[in-house]
Amino acid sequence: NAGVMQNPRHLVRRRGQEARLRCSPMKGHSHVYWYRQLPEEGLKFMVYLQKENIIDESGMPKERFSAEFPKEGPSILRIQQVVRGDSAAYFCASSANRGEGYGYTFGSGTRLTVV
Amino acid sequence: KNEVEQSPQNLTAQEGEFITINCSYSVGISALHWLQQHPGGGIVSLFMLSSGKKKHGRLIATINIQEKHSSLHITASHPRDSAVYICAVRSSNGNKLVFGAGTILRVKS
Repeated sequence: NAGVMQNPRHLVRRRGQEARLRCSPMKGHSHVYWYRQLPEEGLKFMVYLQKENIIDESGMPKERFSAEFPKEGPSILRIQQVVRGDSAAYFCASSANRGEGYGYTFGSGTRLTVV
Repeated sequence: KNEVEQSPQNLTAQEGEFITINCSYSVGISALHWLQQHPGGGIVSLFMLSSGKKKHGRLIATINIQEKHSSLHITASHPRDSAVYICAVRSSNGNKLVFGAGTILRVKS
């Protein structure tokens, strides 16, 4: 019974390229959250999605970043025209619901390096 | 001031010692999480609390909602407990977690 699967584990992109990060939630989980951990900083919320809907994107940078969670397939975090400051670990978490009784399961993260 | 404050930032202990990590928060929450992260590794959820106390093996987590404070205790610490321990609060609407800066724990043998 696989947990939250993120891929790739490591991603290297040149400045100006696009980065696509994938997250497959735990079986039975329909709520997905993306968090970013910049070097030497704590984790910060980016976006919360349910199937086909963005519920809260208050943590997403206004430009170049987008997220989706289609009816079929994984959630995708897309970063266009990457810059060095985008280098970070990106973690996905999933839950069965957002109520207080529902725990989170985290993925292993994608380490993005922009060169 | 951060919404979630952890102390201490760094902690070094001898194997076998009892360890306490504290977390204070200033916002309304629906739940509080304790997480563990090894260097370069993923994040493991240790506890989710909305009241009282939970125990799992050598780990104990408590929360005082009135005082907006939680503690994580590790009994009989072991070098394999060395990791970053992160307190995170779930917002009242349940949409997101707000994280503390983490406590870097090193247990020496």
